[in-house]
Parts: sequence; structure tokens; C-alpha cells
Amino acid sequence: QLQLQESGPGLVKPSETLSLTCTVSGGSISSSSVYWGWIRQPPGKGLEWIGNIYYTGSTYYNPSLKSRLTISVDTSRNQFSLKLSSVTAADTAIYYCARQSGNLYWGQGTLVTVSS
Amino acid sequence: SYVLTQPPSVSVAPGQTARITCGGDNIGSKSVHWYQQKPGQAPVLVVYDDDDRPSGIPERFSGSNSGNTASLTISSVEAGDGADYYCQVWDSSSDHRVVFGGGTKLTVL
Repeated sequence: QLQLQESGPGLVKPSETLSLTCTVSGGSISSSSVYWGWIRQPPGKGLEWIGNIYYTGSTYYNPSLKSRLTISVDTSRNQFSLKLSSVTAADTAIYYCARQSGNLYWGQGTLVTVSS
Repeated sequence: SYVLTQPPSVSVAPGQTARITCGGDNIGSKSVHWYQQKPGQAPVLVVYDDDDRPSGIPERFSGSNSGNTASLTISSVEAGDGADYYCQVWDSSSDHRVVFGGGTKLTVL
């Protein structure tokens, strides 16, 4: 059964870079017609799409985050990663990774707090 | 950018039918997916491609999509159906953007 697991620091200082990795098990990250994405949810708020990546490395970013965002893929490790630079308190959220083929299959999510 | 509009809240008595709408420009031409999210949990897919149900989702959950409105209908609502519900579309033709509705809190009275 497909599983996605987010990992990374739960606390990041303002102005620093938030880095998360999603490890995919039970399926190949190199599947055709499947994208791999990141979504976040600030406490008490709705869902916000961050961006996604295809196994070839093609990326698609939310325009509101594009200047600070990098999503990459490592097919040898069946992982994809998120880097968000110059973070502020507004970036505090639960970050989910997901398999995207039209609809989304979600990881369990990880809370990242931006605070000094 | 494409916008999906949901009512912030819907209330229904147990045993009644709840209908949650998702409005968008010509949304009937897109595939709409619906997620249920309970506190402290990741979203769970309850309807995909407008009106299909994943395995394990009760038949009480159904969807429709036409014109400028998609809908999630929950019949014979149970207390455990109380949750936040989100609609979602994916624009695979251009920038592969994923769009979510703002979410609807379903309260079972």
C-alpha cells in the first residue's frame, strides 16, 4: 500500500530556510502521469497548494510562493523535497506531501513552526 | 487564477441530508474531488472525478457537477460525518495548479 511520510525540522527561525522531505513507499516515484506535491494548512485555516513535481524534474509552483520555493526529486531514493526560503511566522503550518493524479493521496502531515 | 467558492458552514440534523456546494467558473468542465478532514487528521478523499467513491467510503456520500456548481451530498447524516470538507480541481492543461475551495464545516446538530 502506498505511503508518504514527511520529515524535517519542526521549528525554523525567521528568515531561514524551511526544508522538508517526503519519502514514498509502496510505489514508484517514477510512475507516469503521477505528480508529487506539497500542500500546507496554517493552524485553523484552509488548504493551500504549494507546488508539485514530475519525476523528470518538471516543477509547477504556486505563484505566491514561487520566488522562495524549490521542489526537487530524488528518484534513486524515491523521495521529493521542499525548500522554502526567508520564512516568516506566516509560513507556520502543517505541511503535507501528496501523490497527485487528479485527486490527491496524502501523507500524514508535519507541523512546522516558524519562531525564534 | 481559478477560484472555488464554498459556504463556510452547513448544519444538519442526524438522519437528514447535507449538501455542500463548490462554485467555480464552468466547473462542470473539470473533474472535482472532495475531501473530508477531521481535527488533527490529514484530509481523506470521499468523492473523486465528480461522482465516484473510493473503496471504503459509504454510499451515503455522493457527488455531482454541472455548469458552475459541483456538490457533495451526504444522505442519512451521522454524528461522525461532522468535519471540514474541501473541494479540489487540478488544472492539468496549463500550469498544473491545484486549486482548493475554502472549506465547509459540517455541523451535525
